[in-house]
Amino acid sequence: DVKVTQSSRYLVKRTGEKVFLECVQDMDHENMFWYRQDPGLGLRLIYFSYDVKMKEKGDIPEGYSVSREKKERFSLILESASTNQTSMYLCASRYPDRGPGYTFGSGTRLTVV
Amino acid sequence: AQTVTQSQPEMSVQEAETVTLSCTYDTSENNYYLFWYKQPPSRQMILVIRQEAYKQQNATENRFSVNFQKAAKSFSLKISDSQLGDTAMYFCAFMIGGGSNYKLTFGKGTLLTVNP
Repeated sequence: DVKVTQSSRYLVKRTGEKVFLECVQDMDHENMFWYRQDPGLGLRLIYFSYDVKMKEKGDIPEGYSVSREKKERFSLILESASTNQTSMYLCASRYPDRGPGYTFGSGTRLTVV
Repeated sequence: AQTVTQSQPEMSVQEAETVTLSCTYDTSENNYYLFWYKQPPSRQMILVIRQEAYKQQNATENRFSVNFQKAAKSFSLKISDSQLGDTAMYFCAFMIGGGSNYKLTFGKGTLLTVNP
């Protein structure tokens, strides 16, 4: 069964800390995505990567960066965490030639205090 | 830019009854996909059903079916014989087809509660 794994289910960090959210997929998918989910706002795209070392900004990239050094791993980085980055973060991946479907991870709920 | 609107933040239905969740979207594209995703309390996003815009026939998956009205840019989800396990947040989503634009644009979600 295909899998997208997010390293932490819950995370609590302090304001100003540098935070890494990790996502690993075992499906050899080329495309990977980071979404942020907030009540009443749905899911909003932060960054995506269509191949190793390639990245593009999504709709809300401010305050975030990403890293994709290997195909299976896509990291979301909060350079200096702030309380308004408290949210649920969802990672997803897809294989472009196998239809439009995504596979999602089960999310990391980040609280910045 | 594409937008997806879900006008019902919350809905409830009695077990075994039928419920319809609404979704409208706005796009100038002609080739695209529409999706309904379910997110139960476990937080795992699950694909419920998808529709290719070029297909006139409405998609169906067991108890789940859609009413796709391309001209009206409407994509509603009907759940028949509702079950307690259908309680979840439901998201409507849009993706442009072809090319390299494969981003999903989501609506804000509808929280569906199935009551016993």
